[in-house]
Amino acid sequence: DSGVTQTPKHLITATGQRVTLRCSPRSGDLSVYWYQQSLDQGLQFLIQYYNGEERAKGNILERFSAQQFPDLHSELNLSSLELGDSALYFCASSEWGQGTDYGYTFGSGTRLTVV
Amino acid sequence: TQLLEQSPQFLSIQEGENLTVYCNSSSVFSSLQWYRQEPGEGPVLLVTVVTGGEVKKLKRLTFQFGDARKDSSLHITAAQPGDTGLYLCAGLDLSQGGKLIFGQGTELSVKP
Repeated sequence: DSGVTQTPKHLITATGQRVTLRCSPRSGDLSVYWYQQSLDQGLQFLIQYYNGEERAKGNILERFSAQQFPDLHSELNLSSLELGDSALYFCASSEWGQGTDYGYTFGSGTRLTVV
Repeated sequence: TQLLEQSPQFLSIQEGENLTVYCNSSSVFSSLQWYRQEPGEGPVLLVTVVTGGEVKKLKRLTFQFGDARKDSSLHITAAQPGDTGLYLCAGLDLSQGGKLIFGQGTELSVKP
């Protein structure tokens, strides 16, 4: 157990639907990062939050949004889902906001399948 | 956009062999990290290298950061089946809040 909790572990939904992925960071970590992992793209950075505020953005689609709540848990919302959105979605956390040499702690991921 | 290229993408070897995985970029990173990922799990940090030319050892794994901090290598001595997994290098991009940029990964299979 890494200390980063992601739910649900698996999600199957239809095209056009909306889903919410949830992440609880490791205790004491203020930063949350969302990554998408697919076979052809590898691990792609989506977005980072630090202590409730958006800190950095990657190639996140407009159909996707995220937020970090006062208790530091984070949610990634994916809407108008397409087949190509099928992937593993990882949440990671770290103590600091300005990057760290101590690495990220990753959750076990949510496998999203869009049918 | 900073990119990291890993080679080889796939590696299948016999137990006891040595191997080296390379991670290259045209950009300078403040630090470089290596992760190992097993199926169904998230990446797990193996090591962070910060100083150009730095070498770190983790049992049979040796990590090196290039002098110019643009490249890194992972060398495994006497590979074991338990080393099987996806090895990812990741560079820390401080230009935007310190996000990690990952390479595509090297899928290592060590056969008994």
